[in-house]
Amino acid sequence: EVQLVESGGGLVRPGGSLRLSCAASGFTFNDAWLSWVRQAPGKGLEWVGRIKSKSTGGTTDYAAPVKGRFTISRDDSKNTVYLQMNSLKTEDTGIYYCLEMTVSWGQGTLVTVSS
Amino acid sequence: QSVLTQPPSASGTPGQRVTISCSGGSSNIGSNNVYWSQQLPGTAPKLLISRDNQRPSGVPDRFSGSKSGTSASLAISGLRSEDEADYYCAAWDDRLRIVMFGGGTKVTVL
Repeated sequence: EVQLVESGGGLVRPGGSLRLSCAASGFTFNDAWLSWVRQAPGKGLEWVGRIKSKSTGGTTDYAAPVKGRFTISRDDSKNTVYLQMNSLKTEDTGIYYCLEMTVSWGQGTLVTVSS
Repeated sequence: QSVLTQPPSASGTPGQRVTISCSGGSSNIGSNNVYWSQQLPGTAPKLLISRDNQRPSGVPDRFSGSKSGTSASLAISGLRSEDEADYYCAAWDDRLRIVMFGGGTKVTVL
């Protein structure tokens, strides 16, 4: 069974940092390109960024609102992808989902940025 | 504007066929695969259609995807009450180097 399980969400003050994790199983993680997508309360889906597989370069791409503040990395030995979020703003509040676009979504983890 | 264009709403009666459109451009839908996801109220999105028209395992064949030029469509045939949800299209954009999502279409079963 394909599974993507996010963790690491929580409440953080503006300017703070948080690291999200997404543990994958049920598919060939090493070959997967993984994305992070977020959803603000009552809003639509917003792509955050992605990381390619190491065999295709392992490079990353980011949406403009998070570029320079967020970093995506992966540990293929742990079948896990990470989202490091720095300099958080209130507008970063939302549910963060891990996604392998040809396979599955995760269940999401809630990030709340508030003073 | 990092958004593919979808109608905000669509509706039908049980058993009907409903089609949702997703309009983009040559740098996204016109040259890359389109993906469709379903989000039931209060739940995480679920992948419905991959690579324009491929159904992942477990997705009923009532759902189908198609693409022509810079537009794509999701069709739901034999509409059921449990199909009430938000539906999103997505595609990579070669020029902006981002994944673009549609604004979402809320499907109501009358």
